Amino acid sequence: EIVLTQSPGTLSLSPGERATLSCRASQSVGSSYLAWYQHKPGQAPTLLFYGASIRATGIPDRFSGSGSGTDFTLTISRLEPDDFAVYYCQLYNRSPPVYTFGQGTKLEIK
Amino acid sequence: QVLLVESGGGVVQPGRSLRLSCAASGFTFNYSAMHWVRQAPGKGLEWVASISYDGTYKYYADSVKGRFTISRDNSKNALYVQMNSLRPEDTAVYHCARQQYYYGSGDAFNIWGQGTMVTVSS
Repeated sequence: EIVLTQSPGTLSLSPGERATLSCRASQSVGSSYLAWYQHKPGQAPTLLFYGASIRATGIPDRFSGSGSGTDFTLTISRLEPDDFAVYYCQLYNRSPPVYTFGQGTKLEIK
Repeated sequence: QVLLVESGGGVVQPGRSLRLSCAASGFTFNYSAMHWVRQAPGKGLEWVASISYDGTYKYYADSVKGRFTISRDNSKNALYVQMNSLRPEDTAVYHCARQQYYYGSGDAFNIWGQGTMVTVSS
């Protein structure tokens, strides 16, 4: 079973700063199977990226995704107040079909 | 408008059952694989179960296997999960989500509901 580990657990930054969130897999995975989500309390999660780096519809270009193998990164170039939320990476494994989430990174206002 | 709306949550005693529903609109439900994902209080997202577009294939997380049953009614654009033998650790907000296949770029959950709260407590 592949485990996803996100770091840091909590990231405290100010609006306008750059955020770098990490997602590490316990073994190499295809980038096609890595997605990122944003989740705010009481709301539905929002898909940010699929295929590790392909921005979902409506996601601003200040968000970027990258990585391959075991190391993946979500970067927010200039934080806006609406960006403070919890971010999850997710792995989709086809055989057997398992959808594993990382434990999340909470991005909070400093 | 693309929408998923969950219902059926509530407070239930350990060992009892509950059925959650998810109403879909604004997309081709009968062509979409669907999922249930939950979030326990203070915890992260946990995938619970999935069902293929036609209901043929169903998969479950080990934590719910044998107790939960996912199903769908394409004539009603509805997704369900029957939860039996509920445990306190099943307490969570339950979200339904639609799986989108991106040709050549994998899969992801591109539509989510806001969730319905299930509390298992005596």
